[in-house]
Amino acid sequence: QITLKESGPTLVKPTQTLTLTCTFSGFSLSTSGVGVGWIRQPPGKALEWLALIYWDDDKRYSPSLESRLTITKDTSKNQVVLTMTNMDPVDTATYYCAHREVSFDYWGQGTLVTVSS
Amino acid sequence: DIVMTQSPDSLAVSLGERATINCKSSQSILYNSNNKNYLAWYQQKPGQPPKLLISWGSTRKSGVPDRFSGSGSGTNFTLTISSLQAEDVAVYHCQQYYNNPKTFGQGTKVEIK
Repeated sequence: QITLKESGPTLVKPTQTLTLTCTFSGFSLSTSGVGVGWIRQPPGKALEWLALIYWDDDKRYSPSLESRLTITKDTSKNQVVLTMTNMDPVDTATYYCAHREVSFDYWGQGTLVTVSS
Repeated sequence: DIVMTQSPDSLAVSLGERATINCKSSQSILYNSNNKNYLAWYQQKPGQPPKLLISWGSTRKSGVPDRFSGSGSGTNFTLTISSLQAEDVAVYHCQQYYNNPKTFGQGTKVEIK
């Protein structure tokens, strides 16, 4: 059974760096073809794809946010970490991590991050 | 970036009636070498994460009721709920995974009339 869970701060101040951790079970991020992605959703708005890390450590980022994002994995801990620098109130959203084999077939419950001073 | 545009933004359908959602990509997401459309559909109920319904434009994920079907190719796709049930009230999203960034549509809200 594949499960994912996001963790991190619920409140960050403008200009701070956000660090989110996705802890997963039921699969290995060293298996060929597997990836873990991050997607966010501002309240009442559309889903936005942020980043994806593959089993071979290939990393892909949304071009509009690439300068602010870093995605890493710790295969031994079954974790993927996303950092986003220079947070702004417009970054207030629910942040999801998801398992990718083809499309995103398993999602975490999401974590709401509010950016406010 | 490939832009995904869904229509309508919302629709209200009577119980037992058909619901149809459209998704259009700004460029073809049909990969010619394998003849597959790199298109997924997700269902998102209030307060929940999205749930994968369909991959490859028309392949239902195991366990998804067969009243959900996907069709289309190239740039134009459709999600059909053949007989709307109360539990189908949700927002439906399409997503292309043809290339990066793997963009989503803006979502379509389905309600009961």
